[in-house]
Amino acid sequence: DIQMTQSPSSLSASIGDRVTITCRASQSISSFLNWYQQKPGKAPKLLIYAASSLQSGVPSRFSGSGSGTDFTLTISSLQPEDFAKYYCQQTYTTWTFGQGTKVEIK
Amino acid sequence: VQLHESGPGLVKPSETLSLTCTVSGGSVSSFYWSWVRQPPGKEFEWIANIYDSANTYYNPSLKSRVTMSVDTSKNQFSLKLSSVTAADTAVYFCARARTNSLQYFMDVWGKGTTVIVSS
Repeated sequence: DIQMTQSPSSLSASIGDRVTITCRASQSISSFLNWYQQKPGKAPKLLIYAASSLQSGVPSRFSGSGSGTDFTLTISSLQPEDFAKYYCQQTYTTWTFGQGTKVEIK
Repeated sequence: VQLHESGPGLVKPSETLSLTCTVSGGSVSSFYWSWVRQPPGKEFEWIANIYDSANTYYNPSLKSRVTMSVDTSKNQFSLKLSSVTAADTAVYFCARARTNSLQYFMDVWGKGTTVIVSS
């Protein structure tokens, strides 16, 4: 299976900060990469698909980039509702997920 | 579209875990459907997909124990996982998977149901 490694595992940030989360695949996955947001006790919410396509209804402060093995999720200006855990997922082969990045209030 | 998982919250070791996902606001005959689980404190694990009500894809690590199927008359799809152990304890999610130029992504999720494997 392709291993997905996210960094950092957690971060503390303030409202209005620019936040960047990285996801690295153990082998090339082209652009077969999705990003999800999960809040405690809730189902995941799709944010970005195909590495850089914004899911309908998701605020434009979220963006994704990358291809091959290295990918980035960026939140341009952190809002109170963005404090959550974020996961990447590859669908190039047997679907696998990263371990998650928890975004906490500073 | 909304999804709702149902099934027993407690399953004994070596028995079969059976879950159902009810689809409302859309037809189960369309789209891909998925099962994903999240063990306590661990990352998500994709379990299976089904499309066109009959074409199934299983995670190779679980393939020998998993069966996924669709019941169009009830607008539901289901998951059976046999010979469960404590390692199968998790929150189980059903989801709709969409495709866009061969890209797959899960855009609608159920709220999840907790399954504990214990005697």
